[in-house]
Amino acid sequence: QSALTQPPSASGSPGQSVTISCTGTSSDVGAYRYVSWYQQRPGKAPKLVIYKTTTRPSGVPDRFSGSKSGNTASLTVSGLQAEDEADYFCSSYAGDKNYVFGTGTKVTVL
Amino acid sequence: EVQLLESGGGLVKPGGSLRLSCVASGFTFGNYDMNWVRQTPGKGLEWVASIGARVNYISYSDSVRGQFTISRDDASNSLYLQMNSLRAEDTAIYYCTRDLSGPFDFWGQGTLVTVSS
Repeated sequence: QSALTQPPSASGSPGQSVTISCTGTSSDVGAYRYVSWYQQRPGKAPKLVIYKTTTRPSGVPDRFSGSKSGNTASLTVSGLQAEDEADYFCSSYAGDKNYVFGTGTKVTVL
Repeated sequence: EVQLLESGGGLVKPGGSLRLSCVASGFTFGNYDMNWVRQTPGKGLEWVASIGARVNYISYSDSVRGQFTISRDDASNSLYLQMNSLRAEDTAIYYCTRDLSGPFDFWGQGTLVTVSS
């Protein structure tokens, strides 16, 4: 159960887009459509922003979108806003009721 | 409003035990799978354990299997994590999460477990 690989950091100016990758294997990200993304602001619990690879929960702005190709999933935040500055973690189902998280990416709004 | 409230964290010596609790409200607890997820201070998230609705399954990460035990009491809307033989590397914030058949859609605020002599 190795952690999924994410870049440590990403940044963009307000209004720009930032895309975060999440690389796993054919046993987790590549095998299932159950990739989720979580936003975590300092001192707060993680918040679900994308599930089933591309679905946004109610209340999450449509600036957040997800995709997947092979063993790599991606989260794109379009029209960056100051409030989007946070840590982002991906997660994937890994079979047999097991889950694995990504290493996390710190998004900075310049 | 869905709420998950963890308790039971604290300072414990290596080799010691702790029992974490999570009380749920705002939804029909017995209908949902539940999980524990931990986060090492300043670092990433790690899935720890899952328990199905009506205890139809239980699963653990390799790092805690045989050391931790997850359980639930639907009558009191409560989730538990019994942690034994604690080690320094178990130091983390432990979150109770609701499982929406894949994503963890609601999280508690977490309880800090510190393992140190």
